Amino acid sequence: AQKVTQAQTEISVVEKEDVTLDCVYETRDTTYYLFWYKQPPSGELVFLIRRNSFDEQNEISGRYSWNFQKSTSSFNFTITASQVVDSAVYFCALSEAGIGWSGAGSYQLTFGKGTKLSVIP
Amino acid sequence: DSGVTQTPKHLITATGQRVTLRCSPRSGDLSVYWYQQSLDQGLQFLIQYYNGEERAKGNILERFSAQQFPDLHSELNLSSLELGDSALYFCASSVGRGTQYFGPGTRLLVL
Repeated sequence: AQKVTQAQTEISVVEKEDVTLDCVYETRDTTYYLFWYKQPPSGELVFLIRRNSFDEQNEISGRYSWNFQKSTSSFNFTITASQVVDSAVYFCALSEAGIGWSGAGSYQLTFGKGTKLSVIP
Repeated sequence: DSGVTQTPKHLITATGQRVTLRCSPRSGDLSVYWYQQSLDQGLQFLIQYYNGEERAKGNILERFSAQQFPDLHSELNLSSLELGDSALYFCASSVGRGTQYFGPGTRLLVL
């Protein structure tokens, strides 16, 4: 069964500091997807990034970057120069290939418990 | 704005009642997923529909059911409501194996 662990329950940083959110996952599939979603105080879930299991290239997108390491089953997310608007709960999620390998398969997400990030001005 | 709409935004009802939550997916998305977010269980997958057919079930109670209509909108029906059903209910849509985009959620309070 798939599982996602976010060991950090809450993190507080001062504005402009860098912060890394940790995520460790478990899956038996060789093909899977990893995601980060953000849930601001308003409650909606906002998609941030997605990574396929067959692509370990790490990238930077603006102030966001991620470090995907299959060897340690980790998918960490870093915010550079944090801002007050980054204050939110961040969820790491895993999706396996599901039934078959087609667009009609099921790719339900398994979420971690979330990490609440507070950026202090 | 994700392009996924959910109504109502808030719902207050009493134990034993039945409610219906509605979700309209993004244009072109055939898959609709329902999730429940509660303080004790976190975010949990309930059920998925693909082009009108049930595709997968997660931790969905027998008192809950869902359907997807020909226009691809979906409804989640919750019956015989209990206090513990109070939660935030999200739907998400995707194109096949693509990224799931979430609606704003329906906050259900059972009194």
